[in-house]
Amino acid sequence: DTAVSQTPKYLVTQMGNDKSIKCEQNLGHDTMYWYKQDSKKFLKIMFSYNNKELIINETVPNRFSPKSPDKAHLNLHINSLELGDSAVYFCASSQDWGTSGGALAAETQYFGPGTRLLVL
Amino acid sequence: KNQVEQSPQSLIILEGKNCTLQCNYTVSPFSNLRWYKQDTGRGPVSLTIMTFSENTKSNGRYTATLDADTKQSSLHITASQLSDSASYICVVTFLSTSGTYKYIFGTGTRLKVLA
Repeated sequence: DTAVSQTPKYLVTQMGNDKSIKCEQNLGHDTMYWYKQDSKKFLKIMFSYNNKELIINETVPNRFSPKSPDKAHLNLHINSLELGDSAVYFCASSQDWGTSGGALAAETQYFGPGTRLLVL
Repeated sequence: KNQVEQSPQSLIILEGKNCTLQCNYTVSPFSNLRWYKQDTGRGPVSLTIMTFSENTKSNGRYTATLDADTKQSSLHITASQLSDSASYICVVTFLSTSGTYKYIFGTGTRLKVLA
């Protein structure tokens, strides 16, 4: 059973197109995340949703729009794709946001396998 | 400026040997520090998470230490195995002035274990 799954695994598209990446977790977690890893392997968080509510929204172009239809899904829609959007996008989930019991956001995050996006 | 620096950038060791990876940060106010292992072509896997009150945490052959005073952390790998070949990423979480949690990622150490 795959805990955090993403589709598609690979995505090759032309500049200017609109595309979506889907993420699903079957762990019963409340919190989900989207990360971007560039060609230099540098990871950066983009968004986080807790119980379908947006709680982290880093400085990301508004061409990127996350959508959480339910707690188990967090999809990423990208409008007007640019060359610089080429990267690996990882979805992750955690039990919760980690602020209960003084945990100070110290929740364990489980990552998906990644979606490799190439914009031509 | 909030930064996380990891060293060395890359490391090659022989199977069975121990090694230590370093993570220095200037993040404040500190919330927690994580170490991830990322195999080539796969998503990161959490190894340890430490809050400011913890100074050591183990996960099998991986032991992380944290010195909140000097703002340094290390990840020690004991009796390395070929499967330890991966990138190791240090991530520090802090509470921003806006009251939200922020993540600062290190650039990682690429470890290669040779037979």
